[in-house]
Amino acid sequence: DAGITQSPRHKVTETGTPVTLRCHQTENHRYMYWYRQDPGHGLRLIHYSYGVKDTDKGEVSDGYSVSRSKTEDFLLTLESATSSQTSVYFCAISESRTDEKLFFGSGTQLSVL
Amino acid sequence: DAKTTQPTSMDCAEGRAANLPCNHSTISGNEYVYWYRQIHSQGPQYIIHGLKNNETNEMASLIITEDRKSSTLILPHATLRDTAVYYCIVRGTSGSRLTFGEGTQLTVNP
Repeated sequence: DAGITQSPRHKVTETGTPVTLRCHQTENHRYMYWYRQDPGHGLRLIHYSYGVKDTDKGEVSDGYSVSRSKTEDFLLTLESATSSQTSVYFCAISESRTDEKLFFGSGTQLSVL
Repeated sequence: DAKTTQPTSMDCAEGRAANLPCNHSTISGNEYVYWYRQIHSQGPQYIIHGLKNNETNEMASLIITEDRKSSTLILPHATLRDTAVYYCIVRGTSGSRLTFGEGTQLTVNP
C-alpha cells in the first residue's frame, strides 16, 4: 500500500466544535486530495492541493478549510462541525495533475452529534 | 467529463470470470476510462485505465468497444476478496478531477 496515513481513524465530536483531520504521506507526491463519502452520493471532492501552500476547492468545499505547509501533510479543518458533516473522509495522493492513479488512505469515520 | 452508467449490483461464482459492464455513450475522443474498486471499509484502489486499446495488468483486463461507448472490466478468476464496489470513471486530460459515481457492488459467492 502507498504510504498514506490518516489520523484519527475514528472521531466523535459535538456540533459547533472545531475538528482537524490529518493526512500524512511518505511518497513525496505533489498532489493531495480530501474526499468525503456518504450513502447515495459516492465520493465527493472537498479540496485538493497541488503543492505546498497551493490549494483549491472541490465540489463540496463549504464548511471546510485545508492547509498544506509541508509536502507530506495535508490538513482538513471543520471550523465548526455540523451534523451534515458526519461522513467518512478519505485522503488521496497522486504524482501529477494528469496522473489519476490515485492512492487512497484508509479513511476517517467522523461522527458529529 | 462523460457520464457513466453501471449496474447497481452483480454476482459471480468464485473461480469464474467476473465481467463488469459500463456504458459511457457520451465519451469524447480524449477521455480515458478508469476503473477503481472499494473493498468494504477501505479506500478506493486503482485497477486499470485505457483510452482506445484493450489493456491488461496483473489485476484485470479492460475491454473498450470500437466506438468507445462502453467498456467491460474483466476479473479472470474472481475470488472472495474481489467482493467490492467497482467504479467506472471517464475523465479527460483537461485536469478535471475524477468523479466517482455509485459503482457496481460485485459479490463473489463461494
